[in-house]
Amino acid sequence: GENVEQHPSTLSVQEGDSAVIKCTYSDSASNYFPWYKQELGKRPQLIIDIRSNVGEKKDQRIAVTLNKTAKHFSLHITETQPEDSAVYFCAASSQAGKSTFGDGTTLTVKP
Amino acid sequence: DVKVTQSSRYLVKRTGEKVFLECVQDMDHENMFWYRQDPGLGLRLIYFSYDVKMKEKGDIPEGYSVSREKKERFSLILESASTNQTSMYLCASRPQTMNTEAFFGQGTRLTVV
Repeated sequence: GENVEQHPSTLSVQEGDSAVIKCTYSDSASNYFPWYKQELGKRPQLIIDIRSNVGEKKDQRIAVTLNKTAKHFSLHITETQPEDSAVYFCAASSQAGKSTFGDGTTLTVKP
Repeated sequence: DVKVTQSSRYLVKRTGEKVFLECVQDMDHENMFWYRQDPGLGLRLIYFSYDVKMKEKGDIPEGYSVSREKKERFSLILESASTNQTSMYLCASRPQTMNTEAFFGQGTRLTVV
């Protein structure tokens, strides 16, 4: 089955700096890669996603890049703010309806 | 607005009890999932269902079973609760189409004593 590895497990940045979280996947059939943000005590919610026919996608301060050849994708957050502090999960979908998640990255943005 | 609702936010059960966790979604999604969330281990798939009465094992099905008698409802059953099943349980749903996000419930924090 699919295996997703996510790094780093924890990340601490100063407000205004950029943050990058990386994921690798194993199944070349995967073609959908969502990123979820989970604030403390809340449910995971989608913040951005990318499909395999696209190399990069941007939404304001958040961007995701995908390298299908290398089987890795990354989340980039620019101009970080304290409210960006949360746990971020990447995921990869390799068959209809089923996603495999990374272990999560705890991002802390220091004011 | 998609709504996935789990029946309980917090549960405390005794070792050996049979435990039912209920999840209901209101968006007519075909696929429903149960995940377990533990610190440092991410979201691990226990079971998923892609249709009524259909189910497939995820990565950690041991000690769990599921039931999907109606499209909107997916139940997770702990046949005989054990302390190592103390965890946060998250239900999710998504349409059959592969390239769409999953919507999560608010989670059930289960403590087995």
